[in-house]
Amino acid sequence: GQQLNQSPQSMFIQEGEDVSMNCTSSSIFNTWLWYKQEPGEGPVLLIALYKAGELTSNGRLTAQFGITRKDSFLNISASIPSDVGIYFCAGQLLAGGTSYGKLTFGQGTILTVHP
Amino acid sequence: KAGVTQTPRYLIKTRGQQVTLSCSPISGHRSVSWYQQTPGQGLQFLFEYFSETQRNKGNFPGRFSGRQFSNSRSEMNVSTLELGDSALYLCASSLEGQGGEQYFGPGTRLTVT
Repeated sequence: GQQLNQSPQSMFIQEGEDVSMNCTSSSIFNTWLWYKQEPGEGPVLLIALYKAGELTSNGRLTAQFGITRKDSFLNISASIPSDVGIYFCAGQLLAGGTSYGKLTFGQGTILTVHP
Repeated sequence: KAGVTQTPRYLIKTRGQQVTLSCSPISGHRSVSWYQQTPGQGLQFLFEYFSETQRNKGNFPGRFSGRQFSNSRSEMNVSTLELGDSALYLCASSLEGQGGEQYFGPGTRLTVT
């Protein structure tokens, strides 16, 4: 089955630094989504990507849909303490029955920001 | 627009019991997906419902089931609970369940003792 490898597993950075994380897949996806999850809460959608090569920004966040459709990247610029949380990538393949409503998730990147 | 709501937020059950969790999607969303989140396995897809029909199912035993009502609200049921069923159960809603954005609720934290 499809697997997503997300790296790094964790990051400890200083406030103001930029952050990069990525996901790679063994198969292609039609949609890539990036989420942030904080303790005790559900994942919150940050960015959605729909086309290979697409680059999308949401404030200080920028994400890209890889050309091969097997990878995606998320960058956070000028990090602040409230960026702390777990970031997940998720992909969906549009292939009829076995893909309806199914997101495949990476293992997550735990981000810690020191003031 | 109100977000996805899940009830209850926390639940403690005993091994062998059964449990029902509820999810109300964003108004206008017809697809509801359920996921199990554990520290060891991460986020795993359980099943998806659209227009009261289960269209897709993940690799979970038959003890895990669900349904969807005509107003798109969904419930999932776990029978004969096992210790390993302790997890955060998340539901997510989307317009059509095919390639669009999924929005998650806060989850139900289930603890099986």
